[in-house]
Amino acid sequence: DTGVSQNPRHKITKRGQNVTFRCDPISEHNRLYWYRQTLGQGPEFLTYFQNEAQLEKSRLLSDRFSAERPKGSFSTLEIQRTEQGDSAMYLCASSPPDGSRGNEQFFGPGTRLTVL
Amino acid sequence: AQSVAQPEDQVNVAEGNPLTVKCTYSVSGNPYLFWYVQYPNRGLQFLLKYITGDNLVKGSYGFEAEFNKSQTSFHLKKPSALVSDSALYFCAVRDRNYGQNFVFGPGTRLSVLP
Repeated sequence: DTGVSQNPRHKITKRGQNVTFRCDPISEHNRLYWYRQTLGQGPEFLTYFQNEAQLEKSRLLSDRFSAERPKGSFSTLEIQRTEQGDSAMYLCASSPPDGSRGNEQFFGPGTRLTVL
Repeated sequence: AQSVAQPEDQVNVAEGNPLTVKCTYSVSGNPYLFWYVQYPNRGLQFLLKYITGDNLVKGSYGFEAEFNKSQTSFHLKKPSALVSDSALYFCAVRDRNYGQNFVFGPGTRLSVLP
């Protein structure tokens, strides 16, 4: 399967702990996005990478959240000092270079985070 | 600021009947518009998009959507619904002049009854 993969699929942690999620995009895709989705809501944009550069960050992305894409391939999203309000599905998506302007995104299955 | 509204939380339709899932948007510039579908325990899947050109766009699984600039709408339609179309549908918008910040609607749950 050459789609977007995310690991782990589920993470349960205690409040105050740090967690890190990984996203592996489709190999030829240079654009990578992180979203957060809570029950009954649509995905909320968190951040965007083009190659290794983090070009956009939402105001939702507090200073406890950090994302990296060091070599322009896989990406990690770290949450420090987790809070119960961080419990959500974290989605990663990728898309190819924007040759046609407005390429669709290909989503991974998500990582479900539960903070106890 | 960009926003998307999906006025119906739930749409019920009988198998074989036409379906419509509504979406309205707000952007300051010109929009890119998308529809995605989410099946239980699966990731979001792309259905179709409007970039430019014809207002009626056709996508996967027999779905289509019509871009209406004056009404700022992008309703999803299918002439004949299948039970397997039952899922959660999301409309999304990106302002062409506002970077890569995609905004998704809250979703509409479609139930197709046999």
